[in-house]
Amino acid sequence: EPEVTQTPSHQVTQMGQEVILRCVPISNHLYFYWYRQILGQKVEFLVSFYNNEISEKSEIFDDQFSVERPDGSNFTLKIRSTKLEDSAMYFCASLERERGTDTQYFGPGTRLTVL
Amino acid sequence: AQKITQTQPGMFVQEKEAVTLDCTYDTSDPSYGLFWYKQPSSGEMIFLIYQGSYDQQNATEGRYSLNFQKARKSANLVISASQLGDSAMYFCAMREGKGNKLVFGAGTILRVKS
Repeated sequence: EPEVTQTPSHQVTQMGQEVILRCVPISNHLYFYWYRQILGQKVEFLVSFYNNEISEKSEIFDDQFSVERPDGSNFTLKIRSTKLEDSAMYFCASLERERGTDTQYFGPGTRLTVL
Repeated sequence: AQKITQTQPGMFVQEKEAVTLDCTYDTSDPSYGLFWYKQPSSGEMIFLIYQGSYDQQNATEGRYSLNFQKARKSANLVISASQLGDSAMYFCAMREGKGNKLVFGAGTILRVKS
């Protein structure tokens, strides 16, 4: 069964460093998302991406964040200068539009730890 | 204002019994979708069930069913015949916006007792 994959599973970085989180969505999906979950809290939307551009972003997704689909398979989230409060689990999701369910399937997540 | 409210921070259920996890939502959009996801201790988000606002019947997927009461704006998840492997965090979510983003509730931790 096709699934969303994410790498790395865990990344530790120093404050102020740039990180790139990678995702490979399900191959025939066209809509892609990033969410984050700070430990013990609920899942929060960051950004949605369709047709090679951002379709919606939250107030969390400031100038420090960017997304890219560099080729036909990868979808990346870049944080330019990490802060301590960026420590969280980051989930990538892709959207299946079939039978109108609009179900998003999530990857296993990348746990980002900023020291 | 909270768009998705899960009022039960934690629930216990005896193995093999049924349990209902509550979810209420708030939206003025006539077209919306409601989802339940399971997050085990390993951290991944597993899709369980979907209910569309225009669906006439309550959604069912195996042991999962969704008790959809549109007038009350509630979409409670019912898990029948609970198993130890059902112990996890459960999130209710609603699709909204032009990008179809998901808005999540705070979650309910379910513990199944043997």
